[in-house]
Amino acid sequence: SQTIHQWPATLVQPVGSPLSLECTVEGTSNPNLYWYRQAAGRGLQLLFYSVGIGQISSEVPQNLSASRPQDRQFILSSKKLLLSDSGFYLCAWSGGAANSYNEQFFGPGTRLTVL
Amino acid sequence: AQKVTQAQTEISVVEKEDVTLDCVYETRDTTYYLFWYKQPPSGELVFLIRRNSFDEQNEISGRYSWNFQKSTSSFNFTITASQVVDSAVYFCAGGGNAGNMLTFGGGTRLMVKP
Repeated sequence: SQTIHQWPATLVQPVGSPLSLECTVEGTSNPNLYWYRQAAGRGLQLLFYSVGIGQISSEVPQNLSASRPQDRQFILSSKKLLLSDSGFYLCAWSGGAANSYNEQFFGPGTRLTVL
Repeated sequence: AQKVTQAQTEISVVEKEDVTLDCVYETRDTTYYLFWYKQPPSGELVFLIRRNSFDEQNEISGRYSWNFQKSTSSFNFTITASQVVDSAVYFCAGGGNAGNMLTFGGGTRLMVKP
């Protein structure tokens, strides 16, 4: 069966510090991978998605970046965090070819607080 | 562009009541897919159901049922005999463009009181 991991679970960082969140998927190959952000009490905002190694699409311009160094690894980074980067970050994966619209499965999330 | 509207931001019911969560999906795509997810207090989104736009049959899974009506672009979710464990935020989502991307609604917070 497939599982998705995210770490750390919680993170408190000062403004201007760097960020690295990691997401890994087990039990599947060539997954589509996604990063979402959920502000407190709000809906989900898609930040990045990837259909393969090194292929990253950005949905929202911001000071965040994503990388996919391995097939089942997805990393969210920032060089300098802003207060507005606080939120709940969720990684998700889906299988199948592009446009197949299989359901996305979500990781446990990382709660980031920028002070 | 796609748009998912969940007009109910918060619903409160007493245990054993039936409750329906509304979702309206707007798109120009002729083929699209709709989803419901549950987000309990732990935060992780749990996949509940996926429906195709060409399949208007209602679906039932235990106490959960879904009613899709293409004519009104609605994909409503009903919980029968609600339980306290049903308390969560429920998200409706839709997709129909390239890249397997989903558009999520704002979510409905359901509180089931004992």
